[in-house]
Amino acid sequence: KAGVTQTPRYLIKTRGQQVTLSCSPISGHRSVSWYQQTPGQGLQFLFEYFSETQRNKGNFPGRFSGRQFSNSRSEMNVSTLELGDSALYLCASSYDRQGGGYTFGSGTRLTVV
Amino acid sequence: LAKTTQPISMDSYEGQEVNITCSHNNIATNDYITWYQQFPSQGPRFIIQGYKTKVTNEVASLFIPADRKSSTLSLPRVSLSDTAVYYCLVGPGDDKIIFGKGTRLHILP
Repeated sequence: KAGVTQTPRYLIKTRGQQVTLSCSPISGHRSVSWYQQTPGQGLQFLFEYFSETQRNKGNFPGRFSGRQFSNSRSEMNVSTLELGDSALYLCASSYDRQGGGYTFGSGTRLTVV
Repeated sequence: LAKTTQPISMDSYEGQEVNITCSHNNIATNDYITWYQQFPSQGPRFIIQGYKTKVTNEVASLFIPADRKSSTLSLPRVSLSDTAVYYCLVGPGDDKIIFGKGTRLHILP
C-alpha cells in the first residue's frame, strides 16, 4: 500500500513569506501529526489532527497552523517565515494512534533565506 | 505519554549484537512500547512494538520485563547500514506525542 506522501520534498522561501506543506496519510489512517526536526532540537511535536479536529498542539507560535480535510489529508501553514524555521518537517499517520504505531513520510526540507 | 530516557550514543562493531535500553518509569497500563529508526534527512521508520515479555520480528527483538519500566531493543549482527538514531516511544495516552533525543548508534567496521 502507498505510504505517507509529503509534498513538496524541498522548498526555498524568503523571510516574511508564508508556506503551505501537504501530507497525504496512508489510506484509512485518521490521525495525522506534524513534527519539526532541526539538528539542535531533534523531533519537536507541532500538532496532531484526528478526524478533522486538532487533538493536541505543541509549543510553537501561532504562525504555525494546520488543518485536516475530510479525506484525512492534512496541510500545515507557516506564516511570516523566519530564518529559524528552516528545518525538516515530518508528517506521520496512524489509524487511531493506539500503541504509537506511526508511519512517517520522507519530510519536506524547508530552507528560509 | 510516559517520558523516556535512553543513552545519547553507542558504538559497536559489525557483526556484534547491540542492545539499547530505554527507561520509562511512569508507563501506563494501556501504553505500548514502540521503537523507531531514523537515517539522516528521512522520517523515522517503525522497527518493533510490544506490550510485555518478548517480541521478535525479522529485524529486531524487544525485551520488556514484568514491571514494564524499561525495555531493551536488540539488534542481532549489526552492519554499517544500522548506523542511525533509534527512538523509544511509549504510548498512546492522550497527551502530546513526544519523542526523546534518541540514541545515536554508530557501527564501526
